[in-house]
Amino acid sequence: AQKVTQAQTEISVVEKEDVTLDCVYETRDTTYYLFWYKQPPSGELVFLIRRNSFDEQNEISGRYSWNFQKSTSSFNFTITASQVVDSAVYFCALSGKTGANNLFFGTGTRLTVIP
Amino acid sequence: SQTIHQWPATLVQPVGSPLSLECTVEGTSNPNLYWYRQAAGRGLQLLFYSVGIGQISSEVPQNLSASRPQDRQFILSSKKLLLSDSGFYLCAWSSTGTSPQHFGDGTRLSIL
Repeated sequence: AQKVTQAQTEISVVEKEDVTLDCVYETRDTTYYLFWYKQPPSGELVFLIRRNSFDEQNEISGRYSWNFQKSTSSFNFTITASQVVDSAVYFCALSGKTGANNLFFGTGTRLTVIP
Repeated sequence: SQTIHQWPATLVQPVGSPLSLECTVEGTSNPNLYWYRQAAGRGLQLLFYSVGIGQISSEVPQNLSASRPQDRQFILSSKKLLLSDSGFYLCAWSSTGTSPQHFGDGTRLSIL
């Protein structure tokens, strides 16, 4: 069965601090995809990144970086030098290799960046 | 480029009234379409998805239904709303089952 666990329900950091959002997943598929989405207070979900299970290279995009480790089934998301605009709920999600209904979301982590 | 439109943005309805939320996608053909519900402070729950016109799959039993009358149009309906139907409804599209889903701005539905 597919499952995504985001153990951190809420995190608060002071502006300019670094913060890591944890994501642990379970799947029996050998090919799968992992995603992160951002949901700002306005409500829409914004796609941030997709990684496939064969690519464990870490990725950096500006202040955002992602650490994918198959050995621990984790796909953690780090924001460096956090800003108030980073305040949002962040969702990790998992998709298997087939099926249109195959995106499983974690319960989200609410990040508050305090100025 | 592809865009997704969802309306209305907010809706207040009495218990027992009907519901119709509409979602349209532009700039792509034969997308996969999805309806999600997000209760306050909770994660996303997949309600329906569709891989083509007239093809609807339901993920959870409820008094909601979905229809896809055209390739890029997805409608969420109810004949009689319940208090428990309150929430934030999001429509999304993707080109395949494993490609990223792109979401509309959502509809905040309050049932009185």
